[in-house]
Amino acid sequence: RKEVEQDPGPFNVPEGATVAFNCTYSNSASQSFFWYRQDCRKEPKLLMSVYSSGNEDGRFTAQLNRASQYISLLIRDSKLSDSATYLCVVNIPTGNQFYFGTGTSLTVIP
Amino acid sequence: DAGITQSPRYKITETGRQVTLMCHQTWSHSYMFWYRQDLGHGLRLIYYSAAADITDKGEVPDGYVVSRSKTENFPLTLESATRSQTSVYFCASSESKGYSGYTFGSGTRLTVV
Repeated sequence: RKEVEQDPGPFNVPEGATVAFNCTYSNSASQSFFWYRQDCRKEPKLLMSVYSSGNEDGRFTAQLNRASQYISLLIRDSKLSDSATYLCVVNIPTGNQFYFGTGTSLTVIP
Repeated sequence: DAGITQSPRYKITETGRQVTLMCHQTWSHSYMFWYRQDLGHGLRLIYYSAAADITDKGEVPDGYVVSRSKTENFPLTLESATRSQTSVYFCASSESKGYSGYTFGSGTRLTVV
């Protein structure tokens, strides 16, 4: 079983739509969670951390569900510029490393 | 310029050759990392370094060597390149061991023929 799993998509949504991605993790002791954004043929860039109580950054909302061991990213009012691959990142306490999901591809359509 | 830079951006090498990928950061971040990204696997950690002269293995270290004689530089060497090492390699740095997030370089696309 992979440490971190994401639905690869692709998600194709119209402009203005709301879209949500989930990411499941296998280690219940994980404490730190992030979402990164990666544009085609570019490096990943930190989008936001995920806090236990959930957090917002403009149109983006991140949530953590410890009971079911997943994190989510909600994007409201999608823009064309949101088209990218979204990577979830989870720390694994054993070995104290961070694991990346394989990413979820989002295309926002005019 | 401030930031993290990788060189070269693109590299084609032959099987069996030694190749070194360079990474340089100007923030004086303690931690530096090397990841490879392949379809279906996402980013996988090869090696990381907590400080100058301190390095440790990640998830996929076989076939790679690293060194960190200076805080700002973290080169990755493929001692004898194999086709399975064809990948995109990203260097990253962080103030902590990733707990404050990583900043990635723009990557090196390596093809081993």
